[in-house]
Amino acid sequence: AQKVTQAQTEISVVEKEDVTLDCVYETRDTTYYLFWYKQPPSGELVFLIRRNSFDEQNEISGRYSWNFQKSTSSFNFTITASQVVDSAVYFCALVYSSYKLIFGSGTRLLVRP
Amino acid sequence: GAGVSQSPSNKVTEKGKDVELRCDPISGHTALYWYRQSLGQGLEFLIYFQGNSAPDKSGLPSDRFSAERTGGSVSTLTIQRTQQEDSAVYLCASSLSGGSPGNTIYFGEGSWLTVV
Repeated sequence: AQKVTQAQTEISVVEKEDVTLDCVYETRDTTYYLFWYKQPPSGELVFLIRRNSFDEQNEISGRYSWNFQKSTSSFNFTITASQVVDSAVYFCALVYSSYKLIFGSGTRLLVRP
Repeated sequence: GAGVSQSPSNKVTEKGKDVELRCDPISGHTALYWYRQSLGQGLEFLIYFQGNSAPDKSGLPSDRFSAERTGGSVSTLTIQRTQQEDSAVYLCASSLSGGSPGNTIYFGEGSWLTVV
């Protein structure tokens, strides 16, 4: 079965703290893609990153970084020096066929000033 | 257009009425998707279009739901005889092609439907 688990329902941090959002996935496919999306209050799902199953290199984009570990089937997302504008719901998702996204339940991040 | 555009942004309708939700994908994107986001169910896949064809309608919850796409561009999701459980955010998304694994899927802001 294909499944994405985001065990953290809600996280609250104070501005400038670092925070890691966890994502664990299940798939039998050897080729798959993992995504992170951000959903601010406006409702739009904003694409953050895509990673394929053959590329385990970690990635950094500004204050955002992602740690992909196939051995533990995890694709965790870290925000360094969090800001109030980072407050949103964050979704991890898996594509196991060519088009269908399987989403986790999301993690609501609240960054307090 | 620059992004996926959806209309209306918000819709309140009476139970039993029909509603139409519109999606205009990113220009050049041949694949189009509808997802539904509701409190109890999270984000659920509804239907996938490649061009004007819908090879996967497996997520449509009942025969009250239908969708079409014309000209390989705009898509309309129609819900007939709306029920209160249809209240949700309906998200449209598009990608370059549904046949290439891992193409980034871009979402619109959604249509918030409330059935009263």
